[in-house]
Amino acid sequence: AQKVTQAQTEISVVEKEDVTLDCVYETRDTTYYLFWYKQPPSGELVFLIRRNSFDEQNEISGRYSWNFQKSTSSFNFTITASQVVDSAVYFCALTSGNTPLVFGKGTRLSVIA
Amino acid sequence: EPEVTQTPSHQVTQMGQEVILRCVPISNHLYFYWYRQILGQKVEFLVSFYNNEISEKSEIFDDQFSVERPDGSNFTLKIRSTKLEDSAMYFCASRRDLTEAFFGQGTRLTVV
Repeated sequence: AQKVTQAQTEISVVEKEDVTLDCVYETRDTTYYLFWYKQPPSGELVFLIRRNSFDEQNEISGRYSWNFQKSTSSFNFTITASQVVDSAVYFCALTSGNTPLVFGKGTRLSVIA
Repeated sequence: EPEVTQTPSHQVTQMGQEVILRCVPISNHLYFYWYRQILGQKVEFLVSFYNNEISEKSEIFDDQFSVERPDGSNFTLKIRSTKLEDSAMYFCASRRDLTEAFFGQGTRLTVV
């Protein structure tokens, strides 16, 4: 069975601080996809990023960056220079492709001005 | 940009009543899903739908639930006899291929 663990329930940072959200996953499949979704206070689920299991290159996109490490089954997400608009619940999710997305319990990020 | 749309945004219903939640997936997507999120909790998978049939369902998706794609564009979730514990945000999602899913805005169902 697939499982996603987000050990951080809530994080609070002051604006302009960097913040890293942790995600650890479990799967027996050799091909899989990892995602981060953002759920702002308005409630919708917004797709942010995807990573394929066969591509461990880490990337930066604007203020977002992610660190995918197969050796530790981790897929951490960093927001640089956080802003108040980043306040939301962030979900890590996993699929093997032909399976539904499995979500972690989410991390609530509060960015204080 | 194409998006998944859900109606209504909020539905209040009395316990025991039937509700139908509607979704219009992105037009060239092939895989469709319903998820549920009880307030403040995780996003839980209910059912997946592909090629006009259910491909997978969770333990939550019991006989009270059903899904349909009646006309090639809409994708509906029906709850036959609502219970108080069905109160949640229901999300529809679609995928073009087996990678990321795009979610609708959600329907907040309140059972009173």
